[in-house]
Amino acid sequence: DVVMTQSPLSLPVTLGQPASISCRSSQSLVYGDGNTYLTWFQQRPGQSPRRLIYKVSNRDSGVPDRFSGSGSGTDFTLKISRVEAEDVGVYYCMQGTQWPLTFGGGTKVEIK
Amino acid sequence: QLQLEESGPGLVKPSETLSLTCAVSGGSISSTYYHWGWIRQPPGKGLEWIGTIYWSGSTYYNPSLKSRVTISGDTPKNQFSLRLNSVTAADTAVYYCATYYGSGSAFEYWGQGTLVTVSS
Repeated sequence: DVVMTQSPLSLPVTLGQPASISCRSSQSLVYGDGNTYLTWFQQRPGQSPRRLIYKVSNRDSGVPDRFSGSGSGTDFTLKISRVEAEDVGVYYCMQGTQWPLTFGGGTKVEIK
Repeated sequence: QLQLEESGPGLVKPSETLSLTCAVSGGSISSTYYHWGWIRQPPGKGLEWIGTIYWSGSTYYNPSLKSRVTISGDTPKNQFSLRLNSVTAADTAVYYCATYYGSGSAFEYWGQGTLVTVSS
């Protein structure tokens, strides 16, 4: 199985400041078709996960442009350029390149 | 816009079978290249993929659960279902159904989730 490792576990951030979450995979996530199937989800307290970013860097409709995804191969990053109160929650990366699908352990973003 | 809604018993006894249904609206489960999955989240913990059924009927399961899991689709009712046999307390979780289009398993639409507790 592809192991997804996120860091940090917890990320206290001051409002208006940037935040960065790392996600590393135990194997390359480049699929045979040339795509890299790395997805980022946000889970606000008491809510279902919400897809933010797919295929590393493609932002979903309605997702604020302060969210961005980057990376390649085995090393990926989710950045929030200026954290707002509504960004509080747990962020998960997930790989869809290889069965079984696997999630990172999550990073909890909170306001300082 | 696709909408998904899970339903099923909130309490299941140990060793029995957990059965959940995901009703889909705003689209058809047989639409080409749509894929339908189940993901669970134990209380206070992270997300675990259970399995996926393709629009074509093909299924893929997490090997850690494969011997106990069945996912099936019901096209006339436009819903898909999860059965998990021989449950234990470790299967207590919020169960989500979700869907995505195309490749990459990037689940785009999610249900609200349903808590299933395994207890006698």
